[in-house]
Amino acid sequence: DIQMTQSPSSLSASVGDRVTITCRASQGISNDLAWFQQKPGKAPKSLIHAASSLQSGVPSNFAGRGSGTHFTLTISNLQPEDFATYYCQQYHSYPITFGQGTRLEIK
Amino acid sequence: QVQLVQSGSELGKPGASVKISCKASGYTFIDYSITWVRQAPGQGLEWMGRINTNTGTPTYARDFAGHFVFSLDTSVSTAYLQINSLKTDDTAVYYCARAPEDYWGQGTLVTVSS
Repeated sequence: DIQMTQSPSSLSASVGDRVTITCRASQGISNDLAWFQQKPGKAPKSLIHAASSLQSGVPSNFAGRGSGTHFTLTISNLQPEDFATYYCQQYHSYPITFGQGTRLEIK
Repeated sequence: QVQLVQSGSELGKPGASVKISCKASGYTFIDYSITWVRQAPGQGLEWMGRINTNTGTPTYARDFAGHFVFSLDTSVSTAYLQINSLKTDDTAVYYCARAPEDYWGQGTLVTVSS
């Protein structure tokens, strides 16, 4: 199985800051990577697919990059509604696997 | 608009079975597979597997084979997750999602307790 490792596990930031979350795959996955946002008590929401393509309706302050084994999610100009937990997911091969999540908290 | 609406919370006893439903609307059901994802309390997301809504063929992640069963009723655009021989470890929120996980159901809490 492909292991997905996110870092950091948690981070604190302020409104207006820029943050970057890293996701590493245990083997190459081309650009078969998605990012999800989850708020407490809610279902995950799809943000990005194919490593860098924003889903319809996702604000442009979210940006995904990377290919192969190293990927990043950058959130610029943090807004109050951006504080949540973020997960990466590889869909290059079965079983599809998620990272362990990164909790983004307000400083 | 695309919607996935799941059935309500379930309380089951160890050894019993529960069946969760996921009703899709706003798109052609058989054009997209349905994925199931588990989230134990305070934990991350686990991909359980997927069912091809066109062929009915399920694919299970290794940890979810045998104990969990995916099924469909395409006549009502509904996917089902049955959990057999419930264990306390099965206590979790279960989500369905339209593959490739672009739309999600609201989640169903399954609590296993005697």
